[in-house]
Amino acid sequence: ETGVTQTPRHLVMGMTNKKSLKCEQHLGHNAMYWYKQSAKKPLELMFVYNFKEQTENNSVPSRFSPECPNSSHLFLHLHTLQPEDSALYLCASSQERDSTEAFFGQGTRLTVV
Amino acid sequence: QKEVEQDPGPLSVPEGAIVSLNCTYSNSAFQYFMWYRQYSRKGPELLMYTYSSGNKEDGRFTAQVDKSSKYISLFIRDSQPSDSATYLCAMRSGGSYIPTFGRGTSLIVHP
Repeated sequence: ETGVTQTPRHLVMGMTNKKSLKCEQHLGHNAMYWYKQSAKKPLELMFVYNFKEQTENNSVPSRFSPECPNSSHLFLHLHTLQPEDSALYLCASSQERDSTEAFFGQGTRLTVV
Repeated sequence: QKEVEQDPGPLSVPEGAIVSLNCTYSNSAFQYFMWYRQYSRKGPELLMYTYSSGNKEDGRFTAQVDKSSKYISLFIRDSQPSDSATYLCAMRSGGSYIPTFGRGTSLIVHP
């Protein structure tokens, strides 16, 4: 496998469920990111990890909990979400945190019912 | 005023047309300017980036930055139906690693 892989591609969950999104990159990059993409809105950066350490939490509600066990894997744990959290969640990686180019996965389309 | 303004479209053009996609911004500290292309049901992919002002050309694509007007453009020559996608502009300052994205412009190139 190459690039940035996200699973699952689609997820429907109830407001009381707990689920996790997974991201894996095979590029040898040191920085990984979670973004939220909602319809007609700009990409919103949620979290940044650099060498497995979280360096940015962009005022994200605590119902979203990231985890980065190593430089190749990133998780986003979800619990007690709201319908307005329905969006496309994108994982990205870059060689370094200040690299110009980020490589994105295909995203997880999340629907909260 | 949003930091980065981008018309969401859709912009519909015939095949072979020259397409102009634009973003305006308010933060004069922005120095790195990127254009991403996002096909339906896919993640964004970097098309081009420029540093500071000037033009950059790559095949049918030209990126242009006018810092004095705080205005960036992406031109697509001889547009093809395969160019149909959403184009996102993004930019950041030299002192930050966090890019600010526009909303994206949906482009439709019809045969």
